[in-house]
Amino acid sequence: AQSVTQLGSHVSVSEGALVLLRCNYSSSVPPYLFWYVQYPNQGLQLLLKYTTGATLVKGINGFEAEFKKSETSFHLTKPSAHMSDAAEYFCAVSDTQGAQKLVFGQGTRLTINP
Amino acid sequence: EAGVAQSPRYKIIEKRQSVAFWCNPISGHATLYWYQQILGQGPKLLIQFQNNGVVDDSQLPKDRFSAERLKGVDSTLKIQPAKLEDSAVYLCASTQNYGATGQELFFGEGSRLTVL
Repeated sequence: AQSVTQLGSHVSVSEGALVLLRCNYSSSVPPYLFWYVQYPNQGLQLLLKYTTGATLVKGINGFEAEFKKSETSFHLTKPSAHMSDAAEYFCAVSDTQGAQKLVFGQGTRLTINP
Repeated sequence: EAGVAQSPRYKIIEKRQSVAFWCNPISGHATLYWYQQILGQGPKLLIQFQNNGVVDDSQLPKDRFSAERLKGVDSTLKIQPAKLEDSAVYLCASTQNYGATGQELFFGEGSRLTVL
């Protein structure tokens, strides 16, 4: 069975500082990995995904993530935080075989301090 | 292109009452999902449809939850009778192609249920 662990349910950074949200996964087969963002009272929106190829993936709004198989990690980073980045972030894993199905982590709430 | 539509956005009911949520996926999307998101947790898959057939309902509490996708387009999720622990946001999502992994799931804004 697949699973995702997000380290830190709440992360707080200053505006302009580095954002680092941690995600570790468990999968018996090579995974596909996703980061979604959820703004208050809204649905989830895809930030980026890793399927195959380059392990450093760039997404929307200046975010990027690196797939590290040896560490079973897919951490999300952004060099400089903006106030508009305040939201809930979810890491998810999907099987590479069979029906498309996402298993989500518990989420990390990102707060940006002015 | 219109996104995934859900209604109602908010619903408050007493325990043991029933409730139904409706979802209209993006046009042409064959696969439809219902997720349950309890406050402070990540979304958990309840049921997955491919057209009008069920692909996976292993985590659907079938004694009280039911879902259907007649004609392979709209879907309805019903809870009867509701329990306090059913308080959550119910998210509907869709993807275009069944069996093509690595696809993006497109989510609706969700239906927030409060059970008193």
